Amino acid sequence: GQQVMQIPQYQHVQEGEDFTTYCNSSTTLSNIQWYKQRPGGHPVFLIQLVKSGEVKKQKRLTFQFGEAKKNSSLHITATQTTDVGTYFCAGPSFLMNRDDKIIFGKGTRLHILP
Amino acid sequence: DVKVTQSSRYLVKRTGEKVFLECVQDMDHENMFWYRQDPGLGLRLIYFSYDVKMKEKGDIPEGYSVSREKKERFSLILESASTNQTSMYLCASSFGRQSSNQPQHFGDGTRLSIL
Repeated sequence: GQQVMQIPQYQHVQEGEDFTTYCNSSTTLSNIQWYKQRPGGHPVFLIQLVKSGEVKKQKRLTFQFGEAKKNSSLHITATQTTDVGTYFCAGPSFLMNRDDKIIFGKGTRLHILP
Repeated sequence: DVKVTQSSRYLVKRTGEKVFLECVQDMDHENMFWYRQDPGLGLRLIYFSYDVKMKEKGDIPEGYSVSREKKERFSLILESASTNQTSMYLCASSFGRQSSNQPQHFGDGTRLSIL
């Protein structure tokens, strides 16, 4: 079946270093969403990418959608302790020719070393 | 702001009990979802609903059922709780007919322990 794979599963970085998580789909995606879940919290929607090759920025976060719309990345510049958490990507899954649900990747857990 | 409220943050039940998890959203969203989250397995979809009285199986529906009698409320039912259903349960909602194009708004989660 359709899969959305994320790597790495865990990442430890020194505060101030950059961080990147990658998301790959077995099928072409109409869009991709990114979520962040703080420790003890719930997933919170960050952004949605729709166009091939699209790049969007939110302060120190840069989101990219691949040209073939089968992969995406989230890059954080100069990480801060507030960036700690798990980052999930999510893409559509088709049910009987309708876009009815999304599939989440397993997430990348980011840990910041002070 | 969208508010998705789950009835309990923590719940402890016994094997064989029938367990109800309730979720209410206040934004008139068409779509509602139940996930379970386990370490290393990410978010797995149990059931979802795109309209009142409608339900669709997700990836792991076995041992669960759902009810959506009103638009704002989506209930998850564990028919006969088992220890392998100990998990964090997350409810989410989203707007519109094409749910995969819409952001999902999550509740705080219910950490369920089955003894």
